[in-house]
Amino acid sequence: GQQVMQIPQYQHVQEGEDFTTYCNSSTTLSNIQWYKQRPGGHPVFLIQLVKSGEVKKQKRLTFQFGEAKKNSSLHITATQTTDVGTYFCAGPYGNKLVFGAGTILRVKS
Amino acid sequence: EAQVTQNPRYLITVTGKKLTVTCSQNMNHEYMSWYRQDPGLGLRQIYYSMNVEVTDKGDVPEGYKVSRKEKRNFPLILESPSPNQTSLYFCASSLTVSAETQYFGPGTRLLVL
Repeated sequence: GQQVMQIPQYQHVQEGEDFTTYCNSSTTLSNIQWYKQRPGGHPVFLIQLVKSGEVKKQKRLTFQFGEAKKNSSLHITATQTTDVGTYFCAGPYGNKLVFGAGTILRVKS
Repeated sequence: EAQVTQNPRYLITVTGKKLTVTCSQNMNHEYMSWYRQDPGLGLRQIYYSMNVEVTDKGDVPEGYKVSRKEKRNFPLILESPSPNQTSLYFCASSLTVSAETQYFGPGTRLLVL
C-alpha cells in the first residue's frame, strides 16, 4: 500500500544547532503537508507544498518538495526550545491522507 | 471559534464494553477522519468520510465503526474494545478532501483493560 517513510525517528540537538527531517513517498504526490505536534498536544498544520522543487520558508523553518514530488524535507535553523515536538509529513493518496511516523525533536538548552 | 471537539478526552474501559467517542466540527467541513497514534507508528487513518452518509475505510479499520448522519458529527464506535485498541485517537476535518489542511481535535486517550 501507500507508504510515507520519515527519518530520523528521533533527534536530540543542542539549542542553536540545526535540525532536518526527511520524508519519502512510495509514489508521486499531488502535494505534501507538514504538521507539528507539541508534547501532549494535537497535530497543527504548518505548511503545504504543491509544486515540484518548491521551497517555502517560515522564519527559521525551510520546507522543500523534491523535483519528482516524492520526497520532502523540513529544516530548522538554530533550534530553540520552542521547537520541541514531533514533526509529521503527510501525503494524500486518493481520498486517504497518509502520515509519516514522525520525527521527535528534543532541544537541550 | 473554529474548532474540532472530541469527547471524552480520557477513557478507561474493559475488554468488550462498547464505547463511542464523539467528534464534532463547527467549520462546515465535508471531509472528516479518525486517526490513532501509537509510538513509532505515527498517525494511522482508521476511517474517513467525504460527506454525509459517505464513509470509507482507512488503513486500520478493523474493530472500529463510524457513522456520518450529520455534517458536523463523526462518532467513532468500538463495538467490542480489545487491549490492542489502547491508543491516542484524533478526529480531524478539512474543507473538502484529504489533500487540504487538516484541523485536529484535542485527542482522546483510551485505555482498554
